[in-house]
Amino acid sequence: SQQGEEDPQALSIQEGENATMNCSYKTSINNLQWYRQNSGRGLVHLILIRSNEREKHSGRLRVTLDTSKKSSSLLITASRAADTASYFCATDASGGSNYKLTFGKGTLLTVNP
Amino acid sequence: GAVVSQHPSWVICKSGTSVKIECRSLDFQATTMFWYRQFPKQSLMLMATSNEGSKATYEQGVEKDKFLINHASLTLSTLTVTSAHPEDSSFYICSASGGSYSYEQYFGPGTRLTVT
Repeated sequence: SQQGEEDPQALSIQEGENATMNCSYKTSINNLQWYRQNSGRGLVHLILIRSNEREKHSGRLRVTLDTSKKSSSLLITASRAADTASYFCATDASGGSNYKLTFGKGTLLTVNP
Repeated sequence: GAVVSQHPSWVICKSGTSVKIECRSLDFQATTMFWYRQFPKQSLMLMATSNEGSKATYEQGVEKDKFLINHASLTLSTLTVTSAHPEDSSFYICSASGGSYSYEQYFGPGTRLTVT
């Protein structure tokens, strides 16, 4: 079963608005990562947040992590049409050195110009 | 840094033939490579994990005799889909981690396989 579950499954907003996507997971994790995927393309790593961190920023991205609720959120501020893509959270719960990731189902974000 | 390439980017093959997909880390040594499969509008499903010089570890439900993985060097892993069938048509994505990038996986651009 999927470790990460994103909601909403799809989100449509206007350019300039903020977009918030949520991710929930089931087991303890080492870290949580957010990725972006344009249609038919590979994944682009956006941000990694470790289990002992609560918030992280990178440009227009803000990620929060609440390990007590086993959830994370990705906020994209001042969205642009170019932000249109699918966004996935991925958790690393492995105990070994392989850092195996489990992906959520993703949120399809559409930013309308 | 941390660039991963895949070749080919797309391939069409006939049912019963085998197809090899290459995954290369271009600017770092990838001690571990991962192979994922993605169906349209769905998430990535991990197929197998390969460490350089050792046998791949396959996820439950993935046939190792059908999806042959070789990780012969620190910069190259290959996935061979043997005796392909139309249901093997999918988007296959590799990722690599290692060295100073051990905490993160860097993804290739993916390979679209269509079996006719």
